[in-house]
Amino acid sequence: QVQLLQSGAEVKKPGASVKVSCKASGYTFTTSGISWVRQAPGQGPEWLGWISPYTGNTNYAHSLQGRLTMTTDTSTSTAYMELRSLRSDDTAVYYCVRSELPDPFDVWGQGTMVTVSS
Amino acid sequence: SYVLTQPPSVSVAPGETARITCGADKIGSKGVHWYQQKAGQAPVLAISYDSDRPSGIPERFSGSNSGNTATLTISRVEAGDEADYYCQVWNSGTDHYVFGPGTQVTVL
Repeated sequence: QVQLLQSGAEVKKPGASVKVSCKASGYTFTTSGISWVRQAPGQGPEWLGWISPYTGNTNYAHSLQGRLTMTTDTSTSTAYMELRSLRSDDTAVYYCVRSELPDPFDVWGQGTMVTVSS
Repeated sequence: SYVLTQPPSVSVAPGETARITCGADKIGSKGVHWYQQKAGQAPVLAISYDSDRPSGIPERFSGSNSGNTATLTISRVEAGDEADYYCQVWNSGTDHYVFGPGTQVTVL
């Protein structure tokens, strides 16, 4: 079945960077985009952006532009999300989701907890 | 920016009907999606494009959308329906997705 398997939890200091991976299986990776969504403790989801593994095109949310980079490796069917200059309010669970704009999110990864703390 | 509003909480007795609203300017002109999130789990798509139910979602879940309000209706509520529910739209003005703040459904 279709699955998205994410990398493990991360603890980072303010100012550092984090890179989360998301390995897709059960479908042809290049036929659907990948969105990244985060959810801070006790808050609702926040869409961060989208990438097409086929073209490499990206669409980032305005709130994180400049600190966020999404990439893919089609040889391993893996998507990556890198967030730089981390702040305490970046502490959240980060999810990758299968996503073809503007359709809803039908498959979610299990989530990766990123904690930013000094 | 396009802002979605939801009531923070809804309480309902087992067997009754829960209605969760999602409000925004002319939301009836957009496709609204609803997600169910149980504690400690990733969200699950419950309703897509206002009223389409994905496979595996019980028929008790239905949706509607008109004017400035979209509604998720859960009929014959069960204890297992206790969760947070989020609405989502695609804002074509900014080419971004937007989520609502969520509604916590409590089964009494």
